[in-house]
Amino acid sequence: AQTVTQSQPEMSVQEAETVTLSCTYDTSESNYYLFWYKQPPSRQMILVIRQEAYKQQNATENRFSVNFQKAAKSFSLKISDSQLGDTAMYFCALSNNNDMRFGAGTRLTVKP
Amino acid sequence: SQTIHQWPATLVQPVGSPLSLECTVEGTSNPNLYWYRQAAGRGLQLLFYSVGIGQISSEVPQNLSASRPQDRQFILSSKKLLLSDSGFYLCAWSVGTGNYGYTFGSGTRLTVV
Repeated sequence: AQTVTQSQPEMSVQEAETVTLSCTYDTSESNYYLFWYKQPPSRQMILVIRQEAYKQQNATENRFSVNFQKAAKSFSLKISDSQLGDTAMYFCALSNNNDMRFGAGTRLTVKP
Repeated sequence: SQTIHQWPATLVQPVGSPLSLECTVEGTSNPNLYWYRQAAGRGLQLLFYSVGIGQISSEVPQNLSASRPQDRQFILSSKKLLLSDSGFYLCAWSVGTGNYGYTFGSGTRLTVV
């Protein structure tokens, strides 16, 4: 079975600062995909970033980047230059063949 | 472009009443479709997924069922709602097995009273 663990229920960061959200996972598959989703107060799930497990290079999307440590089964999200609009729930997810599992989420608050 | 529609946005139903939530996808063919439930303050739990018309896989045995009568239509149903069915229900679609991620609908908040 695939599992995803997010150990930080809540975090806060000052506007313009950098914050890192943690995620660990467990899977017996060798080929899988990792994602970070953002869920703002509107509840709409928005894909933030995607990482292919067979690629060693960490994915980057503008101010969002990941630190993917395959051996440690760790997949953290770094948000640089935090903005008020980044305030949301962030979910880490692991996907393999129609089976996408989500962590419990981290509630991030960006303070002005 | 592809869009996903989910309705209703909110629903308040009495215990024991039936349920029907609908999800449709536009702009693509043969999508994989998913129903997730999100309990308050929790992550998403996969309920059902479908890879084609009439093909439903259930992840969690419970009071709910799903159907896919048309290629781009996915329906979540219940004959008799329980209080524990309350939650936020999300429909999603993907190309193939979802390795490029899922696209989610805007969700339905269901409150069973």
